[in-house]
Amino acid sequence: KAGVTQTPRYLIKTRGQQVTLSCSPISGHRSVSWYQQTPGQGLQFLFEYFSETQRNKGNFPGRFSGRQFSNSRSEMNVSTLELGDSALYLCASSLARTQETQYFGPGTRLLVL
Amino acid sequence: AQKVTQAQTEISVVEKEDVTLDCVYETRDTTYYLFWYKQPPSGELVFLIRRNSFDEQNEISGRYSWNFQKSTSSFNFTITASQVVDSAVYFCDPTGGNQFYFGTGTSLTVIP
Repeated sequence: KAGVTQTPRYLIKTRGQQVTLSCSPISGHRSVSWYQQTPGQGLQFLFEYFSETQRNKGNFPGRFSGRQFSNSRSEMNVSTLELGDSALYLCASSLARTQETQYFGPGTRLLVL
Repeated sequence: AQKVTQAQTEISVVEKEDVTLDCVYETRDTTYYLFWYKQPPSGELVFLIRRNSFDEQNEISGRYSWNFQKSTSSFNFTITASQVVDSAVYFCDPTGGNQFYFGTGTSLTVIP
């Protein structure tokens, strides 16, 4: 069974631009979560989608948004990029419930200049 | 809300030594799960173990073992006879509500 895939793997943007990251979960998984990982803040939860609905949300500004499609693929969008948005963005999928094991993708490394 | 403390930020051991990674958490949930994940230098988090808060039986899997003590809210992870490939950041994650809360991680370096 294929694992979680994320595209692109690396991205360089400039301040003020917007970016869209994509995540394809493991086949059969309906929950997709997004995390931001930075050296200073560690691994922080952004949001979780289940059956095309945002089920949970972390403490991030509205510039961070996401969506999930009917095939469970998910996208994350960051508008008006700031230097502090430079991070590794990780996507994880799980079967259904929040307390299920998460399987992570390789991440998208975003650099904002 | 959950709170996770992984007090050891960085640990270095010499190959073949045993090493224990500590995890202490706070939760108001009566039922929850505890996870450990490993993040090697490649960046992808790898699932290691999932435990139910009702099951306090300790577990051994190969060189890995876990010590769960609900009374002290601790879920410690031990690697026996460490190897260079064990070098990674290890995250503890207790989850009971609607979000996943990760500790700040412990960076383990195994020196050959």
